[in-house]
Amino acid sequence: EPEVTQTPSHQVTQMGQEVILRCVPISNHLYFYWYRQILGQKVEFLVSFYNNEISEKSEIFDDQFSVERPDGSNFTLKIRSTKLEDSAMYFCASSDRGEAFFGQGTRLTVV
Amino acid sequence: GEDVEQSLFLSVREGDSSVINCTYTDSSSTYLYWYKQEPGAGLQLLTYIFSNMDMKQDQRLTVLLNKKDKHLSLRIADTQTGDSAIYFCAEGVPGGYQKVTFGTGTKLQVIP
Repeated sequence: EPEVTQTPSHQVTQMGQEVILRCVPISNHLYFYWYRQILGQKVEFLVSFYNNEISEKSEIFDDQFSVERPDGSNFTLKIRSTKLEDSAMYFCASSDRGEAFFGQGTRLTVV
Repeated sequence: GEDVEQSLFLSVREGDSSVINCTYTDSSSTYLYWYKQEPGAGLQLLTYIFSNMDMKQDQRLTVLLNKKDKHLSLRIADTQTGDSAIYFCAEGVPGGYQKVTFGTGTKLQVIP
């Protein structure tokens, strides 16, 4: 069964450092998303991406964040200068015109 | 905007049925999802229902949808200790892409 894969599963970084979270969406999907879940809280939408551009973003997705599809298979989320409050589980998802499929998440810990 | 509400906690005895409830606000939702999250793990899609359906059954899982009241429920028959997890209700809006809005999650505790 096709699945969305995310790497790494856990990333620890120092405050102020840049991190890149990687995702490989399902191969024939056209829409890509990032969500985050701060520990003990609900899963929140960050951004959606279609046709090589952002189609929607939430107020959480400020200038510190960027997304990219550098090649035909990867979809990345970059956080330019991490803050302690960026510590969370980050989920990538993809969809075609049907249901969204989520990856297993990357746990980001900012110290 | 979209909003999805769930009760925070449910405790049941092993072997009993669990019913997790959810209310949503966006009447234009096309997909309504149930996700399971075990401690420290990712989101596992359990099942989903199209908004033009009333019920969907999948082995021990039954999803009921009341569109008029915007109420969704997940029934787990013969609940097992392995079912202990957080269950998220979520709605997907119509259109080419599926931005998903998640509920607060219901923590299900199964007592042996």
